[in-house]
Amino acid sequence: DVKVTQSSRYLVKRTGEKVFLECVQDMDHENMFWYRQDPGLGLRLIYFSYDVKMKEKGDIPEGYSVSREKKERFSLILESASTNQTSMYLCASTPSPGTGGYTFGSGTRLTVV
Amino acid sequence: SQQGEEDPQALSIQEGENATMNCSYKTSINNLQWYRQNSGRGLVHLILIRSNEREKHSGRLRVTLDTSKKSSSLLITASRAADTASYFCATDPGSSNTGKLIFGQGTTLQVKP
Repeated sequence: DVKVTQSSRYLVKRTGEKVFLECVQDMDHENMFWYRQDPGLGLRLIYFSYDVKMKEKGDIPEGYSVSREKKERFSLILESASTNQTSMYLCASTPSPGTGGYTFGSGTRLTVV
Repeated sequence: SQQGEEDPQALSIQEGENATMNCSYKTSINNLQWYRQNSGRGLVHLILIRSNEREKHSGRLRVTLDTSKKSSSLLITASRAADTASYFCATDPGSSNTGKLIFGQGTTLQVKP
């Protein structure tokens, strides 16, 4: 069964910490995405990648960076965690654009205290 | 930026009834997709309808697309308690050819047994 795996379901970090959220897909998909989901704001795109070592900013990239050294892995990095980054983080992947829907991971609920 | 707007925001029905959710969007699209999200989990892709299609079926799901009105609807027939979830529409504007989707705020559906 094909899937997207996010390394943690729940995470609690302290303000100022550097946080790594990992996402791995086993479908050989070209495109990978990081979204955050907040009540009343829906899903907002943070960063996406359409190839290894390629990345593009989404709508809310401030305070985040990403890494895609291998096709199957897309990491989201919070350089210095802040309380306003407390959120649900969702990773997704898709094959070539327009060929199908996203496959999402189960999400990481991050709390920054 | 959020493009899709779902209507209603919340819907409560009895098991066996049909549920209809609507989505409006603002720009031209390559395709429109519907997703389901169970509480605290990732999103699951339900159906994709391309801009040159008007209607699509998948099991108990029926999706329509009216590009002249920039709107879509998702109909779930003979609903079950297990259909209780949030439903999101997402549009692929196709402008960047990266598969980037823009999600709406979602409709929360409750199906009472």
